[in-house]
Amino acid sequence: RKEVEQDPGPFNVPEGATVAFNCTYSNSASQSFFWYRQDCRKEPKLLMSVYSSGNEDGRFTAQLNRASQYISLLIRDSKLSDSATYLCVVINSGGYQKVTFGIGTKLQVIP
Amino acid sequence: ETGVTQTPRHLVMGMTNKKSLKCEQHLGHNAMYWYKQSAKKPLELMFVYNFKEQTENNSVPSRFSPECPNSSHLFLHLHTLQPEDSALYLCASSQEFVGSYEQYFGPGTRLTVT
Repeated sequence: RKEVEQDPGPFNVPEGATVAFNCTYSNSASQSFFWYRQDCRKEPKLLMSVYSSGNEDGRFTAQLNRASQYISLLIRDSKLSDSATYLCVVINSGGYQKVTFGIGTKLQVIP
Repeated sequence: ETGVTQTPRHLVMGMTNKKSLKCEQHLGHNAMYWYKQSAKKPLELMFVYNFKEQTENNSVPSRFSPECPNSSHLFLHLHTLQPEDSALYLCASSQEFVGSYEQYFGPGTRLTVT
């Protein structure tokens, strides 16, 4: 099993739709979780951290489910500008920090 | 616009060449990273420097050699590369090498090995 798994997509959704992505992780000791956004031929940028209690930033909601070992990202009222690849990042602590990226989920919002 | 710059942005090199990638961060961060991004693969963390000390080397081949002369600059020295090393090489920085800190990425160097 991969350490961090994402459905690469693409997810093609119409403008205004609600779309959700999941990211599963294999190490139950993982401590920190993030969603990054990467536009085509650009560098990744932090979209939001994922807190245990869940967090919301405008149209974006991130949640953590430790029991089932996954994080999710919900995008409401999709905009054309949301088209990008969404990368899940999992940090394992312990003896040393380990940073693991998922392969990313590609979202294409269609007019 | 990020506070992390990388040069060159594009590089084509033969397998016998020696070249270096440069990264500079203007954010006052203490941790810097090199990542490799290949098509259809996740970002792979190659090296981490925290307070100028290398803390991670994820089994990277010796043909890649990092150098961190100070907390603002990071180099990746390349020699006798293979075609499968062609990829986007991304530099990143964060306040420290601790999981809760956001990483800021540079624009990357797209490397082609011929």
